[in-house]
Amino acid sequence: QVQLVQSGAEVEKPGASVKVSCKTSGYTFTDYFIHWVRQAPGQGLEWMGWLNPNSGGTDYSQKFQGRVTMTRDPSITTAYMELSRLRSDDTAVYYCARLHHDHADFYFDYWGQGTMVTVSS
Amino acid sequence: DIQMTQSPSSLSASVGDRVTITCRASQSINDYLNWYQQKPGKAPKLLMYAASSLQSGVPSRFSGSGFGTDFTLTISSLQPEDFATYYCQQSYSTPYSFGQGTKLEFK
Repeated sequence: QVQLVQSGAEVEKPGASVKVSCKTSGYTFTDYFIHWVRQAPGQGLEWMGWLNPNSGGTDYSQKFQGRVTMTRDPSITTAYMELSRLRSDDTAVYYCARLHHDHADFYFDYWGQGTMVTVSS
Repeated sequence: DIQMTQSPSSLSASVGDRVTITCRASQSINDYLNWYQQKPGKAPKLLMYAASSLQSGVPSRFSGSGFGTDFTLTISSLQPEDFATYYCQQSYSTPYSFGQGTKLEFK
């Protein structure tokens, strides 16, 4: 069965970086884009960007350009999201999600369990 | 960027009620509209895709409609497990924006 399992909670100081992993299984890793979405406490969902696990290509939300880096290691079917120059308002749960694309349909069919990142001095 | 606006932001209802949530896009997105349900402490779960297609395993009391800029999610007869927050999301173009959410609560 398809699974996306994320790394554990992180506590970081302002200005630091955090790297969250998303270990996938149950499907061919390189066949589906991985997207990252975050959710601040009590808030809605915010799209951050996508990673093409086949080519390594990426597309980031303008909001995170210059601070976010999405990478992958196909040998261990794992995607990564690194966010740098952390601020307190980066405190959120970060999710990875698999993008299903079938004909003209695009949707997130599987999600990781989420990784809580807390930014605090 | 495409903005997604949901209404209402919150909704009080009872088991057995029929409820409708609306989602409006700031420009036409054809039918590239998905709906997710999220419960506290959990990841979102896909309910509907392409505006009106029911995801496998999702009960048939959920239905969706719309095209262009205006969309609806309807729950025909609310069940206790349906009390959650619902999000629409456009997949027409990146950034893949979400609505702000509709929290469905017990009346």
